[in-house]
Amino acid sequence: AAGVIQSPRHLIKEKRETATLKCYPIPRHDTVYWYQQGPGQDPQFLISFYEKMQSDKGSIPDRFSAQQFSDYHSELNMSSLELGDSALYFCASSLVEASGSISEQFFGPGTRLTVL
Amino acid sequence: AQSVAQPEDQVNVAEGNPLTVKCTYSVSGNPYLFWYVQYPNRGLQFLLKYITGDNLVKGSYGFEAEFNKSQTSFHLKKPSALVSDSALYFCAVRDGWGEAAGNKLTFGGGTRVLVKP
Repeated sequence: AAGVIQSPRHLIKEKRETATLKCYPIPRHDTVYWYQQGPGQDPQFLISFYEKMQSDKGSIPDRFSAQQFSDYHSELNMSSLELGDSALYFCASSLVEASGSISEQFFGPGTRLTVL
Repeated sequence: AQSVAQPEDQVNVAEGNPLTVKCTYSVSGNPYLFWYVQYPNRGLQFLLKYITGDNLVKGSYGFEAEFNKSQTSFHLKKPSALVSDSALYFCAVRDGWGEAAGNKLTFGGGTRVLVKP
């Protein structure tokens, strides 16, 4: 079965540089979520999109922005990178079912960002 | 606000013995509860969820969890642990209030499970 695809899998940047992470949800999934997992930490919610509109916002720094495109893929743009941004960034997707029932979020393999 | 607590940083169990990973939660509305497992350098893999209905939920790989509303708990269990179950386990909650789409998951701190041969 198709899974969530994230690219790149690994990314190394210098301080103050920019980075763009991409996420391709499971086909037909309409909701995308971004999470940040620091070393030894639990995943922290950043932002989510439903049908290309922002639906929820968490602890996302102002230096970060994200969007969901017409093909439902999403990009997380990170500017003025800091050492503390080094983390594993997960994208997850889910489907809002017509019945209104709650579906689980399916996670991608993550992008490991290292800021030097 | 919603929160999840996993009181144990690590659980050690011998292969073949029962495994329990504890989780308690706090939400303002009805809780939607999830368990995920994470292997080293991998993404989170869904195990099971409780939305409504029977308090005992069965999931992947022989795992099950029991929802206890009075104790606000959702402990993960497996009757007979395998060495391959060694991983990091996360409990997560989603508040039932609000829009159905895009609601965030709040994760517990994770419990590392080590199953010894």
